[in-house]
Amino acid sequence: NAGVTQTPKFRVLKTGQSMTLLCAQDMNHEYMYWYRQDPGMGLRLIHYSVGEGTTAKGEVPDGYNVSRLKKQNFLLGLESAAPSQTSVYFCASSYLGGFISGANVLTFGAGSRLTVL
Amino acid sequence: AQKITQTQPGMFVQEKEAVTLDCTYDTSDPSYGLFWYKQPSSGEMIFLIYQGSYDQQNATEGRYSLNFQKARKSANLVISASQLGDSAMYFCAMRALTNTGGFKTIFGAGTRLFVKA
Repeated sequence: NAGVTQTPKFRVLKTGQSMTLLCAQDMNHEYMYWYRQDPGMGLRLIHYSVGEGTTAKGEVPDGYNVSRLKKQNFLLGLESAAPSQTSVYFCASSYLGGFISGANVLTFGAGSRLTVL
Repeated sequence: AQKITQTQPGMFVQEKEAVTLDCTYDTSDPSYGLFWYKQPSSGEMIFLIYQGSYDQQNATEGRYSLNFQKARKSANLVISASQLGDSAMYFCAMRALTNTGGFKTIFGAGTRLFVKA
């Protein structure tokens, strides 16, 4: 059981280049999330998806786009990378689950470290 | 607006002693879930404990307990009998309804815990 897999793990980009981060989960989770982690700022939600074919904006969506064409995959795209997007990116997934149970615990990927020069 | 606040950037604790990590949250929704995650220096995110807004008793998981004070909107993590392996970053998080009917999970800035031998 692989859980949540992120690719690539490391990437260096030049300003203005584009790239896509891929997140794949094999747990049949409905929800998927993309976060970025920066020192002193914790994890900030970029975009999320509540199911196949749906996406929504989080706290810091500007400069990013996402797609969820298949339930198991959630792609994060940077169309024109900027140095401010240098960060560690985490993908996470969870069941639909209500508030009564703990079934909505997030399962995280290992993270993707992106550097934009 | 929904928000998680962790006011302690860093904490020190002596091995074998107990430590409390503070977390306050802000939401106007009656239904929400509160989580604590641990991030060791290796970078992975590890789920520790969950508390639902309707849970009558404080959650406990081994050496971890969550001191849930609903009226104060606080969800402090208590680690008993600290171990050297507890040295890590700790994040408080909240799962709450969005205005489109789905759920999202947001995080605080984190507290870095140092356990001294």
